[in-house]
Amino acid sequence: GGIITQTPKFLIGQEGQKLTLKCQQNFNHDTMYWYRQDSGKGLRLIYYSITENDLQKGDLSEGYDASREKKSSFSLTVTSAQKNEMAVFLCASSRGVEQYFGPGTRLTVL
Amino acid sequence: QQKVQQSPESLIVPEGGMASLNCTSSDRNVDYFWWYRQHSGKSPKMLMSIFSNGEKEEGRFTVHLNKASLHTSLHIRDSQPSDSALYLCAASMGGSALGRLHFGAGTQLIVIP
Repeated sequence: GGIITQTPKFLIGQEGQKLTLKCQQNFNHDTMYWYRQDSGKGLRLIYYSITENDLQKGDLSEGYDASREKKSSFSLTVTSAQKNEMAVFLCASSRGVEQYFGPGTRLTVL
Repeated sequence: QQKVQQSPESLIVPEGGMASLNCTSSDRNVDYFWWYRQHSGKSPKMLMSIFSNGEKEEGRFTVHLNKASLHTSLHIRDSQPSDSALYLCAASMGGSALGRLHFGAGTQLIVIP
Protein backbone atom coordinates (compact mmCIF):
# COMPACT_ATOMS: atom_id res chain seq x y z
CA GLY A 1 0.00 0.00 0.00
CA GLY A 2 0.92 3.64 -0.03
CA ILE A 3 -0.32 7.10 0.64
CA ILE A 4 -0.55 10.50 -1.05
CA THR A 5 -0.14 13.57 1.11
CA GLN A 6 -1.01 17.09 0.06
CA THR A 7 0.06 20.29 1.77
CA PRO A 8 -1.38 22.54 2.87
CA LYS A 9 -4.87 21.18 3.57
CA PHE A 10 -6.36 24.68 3.43
CA LEU A 11 -4.86 27.64 1.57
CA ILE A 12 -6.14 31.20 1.79
CA GLY A 13 -4.62 33.72 -0.58
CA GLN A 14 -5.02 37.27 -1.78
CA GLU A 15 -5.91 38.32 -5.32
CA GLY A 16 -2.81 38.36 -7.52
CA GLN A 17 -0.76 36.27 -5.13
CA LYS A 18 1.44 33.37 -6.30
CA LEU A 19 0.51 30.22 -4.40
CA THR A 20 2.21 26.80 -4.30
CA LEU A 21 0.61 23.46 -3.52
CA LYS A 22 2.66 20.33 -2.81
CA CYS A 23 2.01 16.63 -3.28
CA GLN A 24 4.04 13.60 -2.14
CA GLN A 25 3.41 9.90 -2.88
CA ASN A 26 5.13 6.79 -1.56
CA PHE A 27 3.53 4.31 -4.01
CA ASN A 28 6.64 4.64 -6.23
CA HIS A 29 4.23 5.47 -9.09
CA ASP A 30 5.63 6.91 -12.31
CA THR A 31 2.73 9.18 -13.26
CA MET A 32 1.33 12.02 -11.19
CA TYR A 33 -1.55 14.41 -11.86
CA TRP A 34 -3.05 17.69 -10.68
CA TYR A 35 -6.81 18.21 -10.99
CA ARG A 36 -9.10 21.08 -10.08
CA GLN A 37 -12.57 20.34 -8.72
CA ASP A 38 -15.15 23.09 -8.31
CA SER A 39 -17.91 22.50 -5.77
CA GLY A 40 -19.86 19.31 -6.54
CA LYS A 41 -18.43 19.13 -10.06
CA GLY A 42 -16.16 16.83 -12.02
CA LEU A 43 -12.38 16.88 -12.25
CA ARG A 44 -10.47 19.01 -14.72
CA LEU A 45 -6.87 18.09 -15.48
CA ILE A 46 -4.35 20.88 -15.02
CA TYR A 47 -0.99 19.14 -15.49
CA TYR A 48 0.37 15.62 -15.42
CA SER A 49 3.84 14.09 -15.42
CA ILE A 50 4.80 10.61 -16.62
CA THR A 51 8.26 10.65 -15.04
CA GLU A 52 10.67 12.85 -13.12
CA ASN A 53 11.24 16.21 -14.89
CA ASP A 54 8.44 15.53 -17.39
CA LEU A 55 5.43 17.88 -17.68
CA GLN A 56 2.32 17.52 -19.84
CA LYS A 57 -0.40 20.17 -20.07
CA GLY A 58 -3.97 19.24 -19.33
CA ASP A 59 -7.14 21.05 -20.32
CA LEU A 60 -6.80 23.79 -17.70
CA SER A 61 -3.09 24.63 -17.61
CA GLU A 62 -3.41 28.37 -18.25
CA GLY A 63 -2.72 30.27 -15.05
CA TYR A 64 -0.76 27.40 -13.50
CA ASP A 65 2.81 26.09 -13.44
CA ALA A 66 3.96 22.67 -12.27
CA SER A 67 7.21 21.03 -11.26
CA ARG A 68 8.28 17.35 -10.94
CA GLU A 69 11.81 17.43 -9.56
CA LYS A 70 11.60 14.02 -7.88
CA LYS A 71 9.63 10.89 -8.69
CA SER A 72 7.81 11.10 -5.37
CA SER A 73 6.75 14.76 -5.51
CA PHE A 74 4.76 17.04 -7.78
CA SER A 75 4.14 20.74 -7.11
CA LEU A 76 1.54 23.07 -8.55
CA THR A 77 1.77 26.88 -8.58
CA VAL A 78 -1.16 29.21 -9.09
CA THR A 79 0.65 32.05 -10.85
CA SER A 80 -1.86 34.80 -9.98
CA ALA A 81 -4.79 33.94 -7.72
CA GLN A 82 -8.18 35.19 -8.94
CA LYS A 83 -10.49 37.07 -6.55
CA ASN A 84 -13.35 34.95 -5.12
CA GLU A 85 -11.80 31.78 -6.51
CA MET A 86 -12.74 28.69 -4.51
CA ALA A 87 -11.83 25.15 -5.50
CA VAL A 88 -10.30 21.90 -4.31
CA PHE A 89 -7.05 20.83 -5.94
CA LEU A 90 -6.55 17.07 -6.07
CA CYS A 91 -3.26 15.32 -6.66
CA ALA A 92 -3.25 11.74 -7.97
CA SER A 93 -0.72 9.10 -8.98
CA SER A 94 -0.82 5.91 -11.02
CA ARG A 95 1.38 3.17 -12.43
CA GLY A 96 -1.25 1.48 -14.56
CA VAL A 97 -5.00 1.66 -14.81
CA GLU A 98 -6.06 2.97 -11.44
CA GLN A 99 -5.43 6.51 -10.21
CA TYR A 100 -5.08 7.06 -6.46
CA PHE A 101 -6.04 10.46 -5.10
CA GLY A 102 -4.75 12.56 -2.24
CA PRO A 103 -7.07 14.30 0.26
CA GLY A 104 -6.96 17.63 -1.57
CA THR A 105 -6.02 21.25 -0.90
CA ARG A 106 -8.96 23.61 -0.51
CA LEU A 107 -8.14 27.06 -1.95
CA THR A 108 -9.98 30.26 -1.07
CA VAL A 109 -8.96 33.60 -2.56
CA LEU A 110 -10.11 36.75 -0.76
CA GLN B 1 -16.34 20.42 -25.70
CA GLN B 2 -16.31 17.94 -22.84
CA LYS B 3 -15.32 14.47 -24.05
CA VAL B 4 -17.34 12.58 -21.41
CA GLN B 5 -20.98 13.36 -20.60
CA GLN B 6 -22.90 11.98 -17.62
CA SER B 7 -26.61 11.87 -16.88
CA PRO B 8 -28.57 12.58 -14.87
CA GLU B 9 -26.83 15.41 -12.98
CA SER B 10 -28.52 14.27 -9.80
CA LEU B 11 -30.57 11.26 -8.79
CA ILE B 12 -32.67 10.54 -5.72
CA VAL B 13 -33.64 6.94 -4.98
CA PRO B 14 -35.27 5.32 -1.94
CA GLU B 15 -33.29 2.92 0.21
CA GLY B 16 -33.49 -0.54 -1.35
CA GLY B 17 -34.16 0.89 -4.80
CA MET B 18 -32.19 0.66 -8.05
CA ALA B 19 -29.96 3.56 -9.15
CA SER B 20 -28.97 3.80 -12.82
CA LEU B 21 -26.28 6.22 -13.96
CA ASN B 22 -25.24 6.89 -17.55
CA CYS B 23 -22.06 7.97 -19.27
CA THR B 24 -21.30 8.60 -22.95
CA SER B 25 -18.30 9.81 -24.83
CA SER B 26 -18.37 12.06 -27.87
CA ASP B 27 -14.87 10.97 -28.90
CA ARG B 28 -14.48 7.81 -31.00
CA ASN B 29 -10.94 7.43 -29.66
CA VAL B 30 -12.29 6.27 -26.30
CA ASP B 31 -11.26 2.74 -25.43
CA TYR B 32 -11.58 2.22 -21.66
CA PHE B 33 -14.06 3.45 -19.05
CA TRP B 34 -13.78 3.78 -15.28
CA TRP B 35 -16.29 4.65 -12.55
CA TYR B 36 -15.09 6.53 -9.47
CA ARG B 37 -17.05 7.30 -6.31
CA GLN B 38 -16.48 10.39 -4.18
CA HIS B 39 -18.17 10.75 -0.80
CA SER B 40 -18.73 14.29 0.42
CA GLY B 41 -15.51 15.88 1.65
CA LYS B 42 -13.42 12.89 0.55
CA SER B 43 -11.24 12.11 -2.46
CA PRO B 44 -12.42 9.97 -5.41
CA LYS B 45 -11.80 6.22 -5.28
CA MET B 46 -12.07 3.82 -8.18
CA LEU B 47 -15.23 1.73 -7.99
CA MET B 48 -15.18 -0.34 -11.17
CA SER B 49 -13.57 -0.43 -14.59
CA ILE B 50 -14.76 -1.98 -17.84
CA PHE B 51 -12.76 -2.54 -20.99
CA SER B 52 -14.84 -4.98 -23.09
CA ASN B 53 -18.38 -4.99 -24.42
CA GLY B 54 -20.88 -6.51 -22.05
CA GLU B 55 -21.46 -6.53 -18.34
CA LYS B 56 -19.40 -6.77 -15.18
CA GLU B 57 -20.86 -7.36 -11.73
CA GLU B 58 -19.30 -6.80 -8.30
CA GLY B 59 -21.71 -7.29 -5.43
CA ARG B 60 -24.57 -4.79 -5.73
CA PHE B 61 -22.82 -2.90 -8.54
CA THR B 62 -23.13 -3.73 -12.26
CA VAL B 63 -21.44 -1.92 -15.12
CA HIS B 64 -22.48 -2.22 -18.77
CA LEU B 65 -20.46 -1.16 -21.80
CA ASN B 66 -21.53 -0.74 -25.41
CA LYS B 67 -18.39 0.17 -27.32
CA ALA B 68 -20.25 0.83 -30.58
CA SER B 69 -22.27 3.63 -28.99
CA LEU B 70 -19.47 4.61 -26.53
CA HIS B 71 -21.94 4.28 -23.71
CA THR B 72 -21.44 2.86 -20.24
CA SER B 73 -23.89 2.64 -17.36
CA LEU B 74 -23.57 1.87 -13.66
CA HIS B 75 -26.44 0.20 -11.81
CA ILE B 76 -26.64 -0.06 -8.05
CA ARG B 77 -29.24 -2.46 -6.72
CA ASP B 78 -30.57 -2.44 -3.16
CA SER B 79 -29.22 1.11 -2.76
CA GLN B 80 -28.06 2.10 0.72
CA PRO B 81 -27.74 5.57 2.30
CA SER B 82 -23.96 4.95 2.36
CA ASP B 83 -24.07 4.86 -1.47
CA SER B 84 -24.92 8.58 -1.46
CA ALA B 85 -21.98 10.20 -3.25
CA LEU B 86 -20.78 11.88 -6.43
CA TYR B 87 -20.20 9.23 -9.12
CA LEU B 88 -17.62 10.17 -11.72
CA CYS B 89 -17.22 8.45 -15.07
CA ALA B 90 -13.79 8.59 -16.70
CA ALA B 91 -12.42 7.48 -20.06
CA SER B 92 -9.02 6.94 -21.55
CA MET B 93 -8.33 7.43 -25.24
CA GLY B 94 -5.87 6.67 -27.92
CA GLY B 95 -5.30 2.96 -27.48
CA SER B 96 -3.83 2.94 -24.01
CA ALA B 97 -5.17 2.19 -20.54
CA LEU B 98 -2.29 4.21 -19.14
CA GLY B 99 -1.90 7.95 -18.82
CA ARG B 100 -4.55 10.62 -18.58
CA LEU B 101 -8.23 10.13 -17.97
CA HIS B 102 -11.05 12.40 -19.12
CA PHE B 103 -13.66 12.83 -16.38
CA GLY B 104 -17.33 13.68 -16.73
CA ALA B 105 -19.07 16.25 -14.54
CA GLY B 106 -20.52 13.52 -12.31
CA THR B 107 -23.90 12.31 -11.07
CA GLN B 108 -24.85 13.21 -7.49
CA LEU B 109 -26.68 10.22 -6.01
CA ILE B 110 -28.81 10.64 -2.90
CA VAL B 111 -30.31 7.56 -1.27
CA ILE B 112 -33.20 8.41 1.04
CA PRO B 113 -33.69 6.14 4.10
